[in-house]
Amino acid sequence: AQTVTQSQPEMSVQEAETVTLSCTYDTSESDYYLFWYKQPPSRQMILVIRQEAYKQQNATENRFSVNFQKAAKSFSLKISDSQLGDAAMYFCAYGSRSTGNQFYFGTGTSLTVIP
Amino acid sequence: DVKVTQSSRYLVKRTGEKVFLECVQDMDHENMFWYRQDPGLGLRLIYFSYDVKMKEKGDIPEGYSVSREKKERFSLILESASTNQTSMYLCASSRPGGYNEQFFGPGTRLTVL
Repeated sequence: AQTVTQSQPEMSVQEAETVTLSCTYDTSESDYYLFWYKQPPSRQMILVIRQEAYKQQNATENRFSVNFQKAAKSFSLKISDSQLGDAAMYFCAYGSRSTGNQFYFGTGTSLTVIP
Repeated sequence: DVKVTQSSRYLVKRTGEKVFLECVQDMDHENMFWYRQDPGLGLRLIYFSYDVKMKEKGDIPEGYSVSREKKERFSLILESASTNQTSMYLCASSRPGGYNEQFFGPGTRLTVL
């Protein structure tokens, strides 16, 4: 089974600053998909950003961007201009056609935004 | 607005009780999932279903069963609840394939006393 590792259980950032959350994964596949999900306190988990492994260009969604390094099997999330509403648990996830319908999730990073 | 709903946000049960957690999605998704979320362990897949009456075991199926009689509804059953099943349970749904976004419900915080 694929493994997804988030080595930072907790992170903090000052409001308006930039923070990077790390994620590494282990796979022998070449065609796969990576996701970052956000789970705000007591609220539903939502998709933040998605990256297809065959695309060299890093995905971007407004203030959220990824640094996808396929050779290093690294998929970090950068949050620019951090806002109080960015405080949440962030999960990295891996999916592929060969895993069928299953995603593999990391253990999560709890992000605190300091006013 | 797409939606995945779960029958309860908070649930307290006693050891040995049979517990039903229900999940409903309105997106006509083929896939539905039940995860368990524990601090430091992330999300672990209990069961998933790719069609009505079809199910596959995930990584931690022991002590759980599931039922999917209708496409929009996926139930998780704890046949005899135990204290080590105290956890947050998340339901999700998606279109087929390991590359489509999974949409999550709000979660059920289950406490077994």
